[in-house]
Amino acid sequence: DTEVTQTPKHLVMGMTNKKSLKCEQHMGHRAMYWYKQKAKKPPELMFVYSYEKLSINESVPSRFSPECPNSSLLNLHLHALQPEDSALYLCASSQVLANTQYFGPGTRLTVL
Amino acid sequence: AQSVAQPEDQVNVAEGNPLTVKCTYSVSGNPYLFWYVQYPNRGLQFLLKYITGDNLVKGSYGFEAEFNKSQTSFHLKKPSALVSDSALYFCAVRDRARTTDSWGKLQFGAGTQVVVTP
Repeated sequence: DTEVTQTPKHLVMGMTNKKSLKCEQHMGHRAMYWYKQKAKKPPELMFVYSYEKLSINESVPSRFSPECPNSSLLNLHLHALQPEDSALYLCASSQVLANTQYFGPGTRLTVL
Repeated sequence: AQSVAQPEDQVNVAEGNPLTVKCTYSVSGNPYLFWYVQYPNRGLQFLLKYITGDNLVKGSYGFEAEFNKSQTSFHLKKPSALVSDSALYFCAVRDRARTTDSWGKLQFGAGTQVVVTP
């Protein structure tokens, strides 16, 4: 089973709101990733966690705050976002860092 | 540094005809190569990968890809396309060398939209 789940599927938020995206996998993977994807473009890496520790931060603005509470869960906390942050946010996991990544269905985020 | 080029924004093919989606790559060392497919409003779905060994890699849904080291290419192929193969296809590369800054990061190509007409 190579399933990564993400909630919610859709999220609409104002620029002053605080919200969180959730990602979960039960494959025993120890690396988890957040990507941002604009329409018809490739995913852009945001953060990587390896063994629950932040391994890569691709110079993402501080209004995005990742959290990895345990090896199965990955959150992305959102605060004071801008309309240009509207995108599909994808979570992925891999057995360990640098192995094949498996993606979740994504959360479609709209910032008003 | 690592990079991937998908030279075609869109590939149009009639159902039943062979489908080829092109990909060339550049890495400082030896590559790991991947193909993913994305259907509208969905996440990326893993199709196949080249790690080592046989240059012809077989993947899901009848897709295969051929690794060509001399041409630094990894083209995706399907002998007989289906309308349901219409989607956005991404090639991705990762450098094997642990010493590079990009180790662990997938570099995606720009994507190729495949349109299969009945």
